[in-house]
Amino acid sequence: GQNIDQPTEMTATEGAIVQINCTYQTSGFNGLFWYQQHAGEAPTFLSYNVLDGLEEKGRFSSFLSRSKGYSYLLLKELQMKDSASYLCAVSQSDYKLSFGAGTTVTVRA
Amino acid sequence: NAGVTQTPKFRVLKTGQSMTLLCAQDMNHEYMYWYRQDPGMGLRLIHYSVGEGTTAKGEVPDGYNVSRLKKQNFLLGLESAAPSQTSVYFCASSYASGGFADTQYFGPGTRLTVL
Repeated sequence: GQNIDQPTEMTATEGAIVQINCTYQTSGFNGLFWYQQHAGEAPTFLSYNVLDGLEEKGRFSSFLSRSKGYSYLLLKELQMKDSASYLCAVSQSDYKLSFGAGTTVTVRA
Repeated sequence: NAGVTQTPKFRVLKTGQSMTLLCAQDMNHEYMYWYRQDPGMGLRLIHYSVGEGTTAKGEVPDGYNVSRLKKQNFLLGLESAAPSQTSVYFCASSYASGGFADTQYFGPGTRLTVL
């Protein structure tokens, strides 16, 4: 089986930084994805890590440590439009993903 | 390029009724998936397909059937709907590059209520 844990909710102020942690215990590992999902909409791809280290994409960065079964998504210079749910997903083969329950981030003015 | 589309967007069923959800993708993706999303539980895989004419069970397949007669379409059927199947259903597709995982692209979702 697989176990993917992430916090349920986080709140931060506009312009601040928020770090969303994800820990996983899975049988096999083929990469970790982060998706963003606004309320009532479909998940959209944010980042993919398969090797240890930091991947940076503009205001968003994602980090992976395979030995620790740990990843985080870092959102910098928060904007109101970043209020959304952030989903951590682990791939155990080249076509199936297992998702965490998601972290709802609320950005306050 | 429409990406991944789903029909219908909303549906209300009575217990015991049947229905089919249609997913279509125009990206020539090999793999297609059906998920359900419930509050506090994240996305759970119902069935998936690794190519035209193939289907396989995911994490929560009971009460659902699927078919992939054409590469671009993936149908999800509920033969006898139950209130426990009230959920938001997402279809997704991905390329098949082999080796590392490929990004899945999601449709807009179908909101199903079973009374």
